[in-house]
Amino acid sequence: GAVVSQHPSRVICKSGTSVKIECRSLDFQATTMFWYRQFPKQSLMLMATSNEGSKATYEQGVEKDKFLINHASLTLSTLTVTSAHPEDSSFYICSAREWGGTGNVQPQHFGDGTRLSIL
Amino acid sequence: GQQVMQIPQYQHVQEGEDFTTYCNSSTTLSNIQWYKQRPGGHPVFLIQLVKSGEVKKQKRLTFQFGEAKKNSSLHITATQTTDVGTYFCAGHDTGGFKTIFGAGTRLFVKA
Repeated sequence: GAVVSQHPSRVICKSGTSVKIECRSLDFQATTMFWYRQFPKQSLMLMATSNEGSKATYEQGVEKDKFLINHASLTLSTLTVTSAHPEDSSFYICSAREWGGTGNVQPQHFGDGTRLSIL
Repeated sequence: GQQVMQIPQYQHVQEGEDFTTYCNSSTTLSNIQWYKQRPGGHPVFLIQLVKSGEVKKQKRLTFQFGEAKKNSSLHITATQTTDVGTYFCAGHDTGGFKTIFGAGTRLFVKA
């Protein structure tokens, strides 16, 4: 089945540090990748959607200068949390989806997530 | 904007009891997907429904898509402890450009 690798799985760092999270589709081409934030016992909050080779589309309330997303290839997207602060501590999950044709929405395949803790 | 409401927020059942979670959309959906997230894990795709009134089964799981394509349900018959987790629905607007996840239903199963 489709596998998405997300790395690192856990990060602990000091306030002010920038953190990069990678999301790779291992056995399929991900034309679209999604970045979510999930708070404990809560739902997935979509942060942004990125299509390969295009600028990411950010959801309302998500600062694009704070959360930099790059989707340079069909198998790799990165999320960089710039100058992270304690309030950025959370569980970040990426998902990847391949193109299924017009009107045919393929399922999203999720990475294992990254638990970010800012001290 | 488009919203997908999912209820209940959580449910405790005794092993062997049935369980149902419901999703309702404020707008007509092109399709709906269901995912399961085990505690400590990531969401895993279960199934996709596309046709109006569609019903699909996976062993003890039954998925339905409403006639108006605005609501869906997941029913688990005779729950087992392995069913524990959070079940999410994800609706796609017509055209499939936007994916809206429901808030999820956390299922607790007591042995």
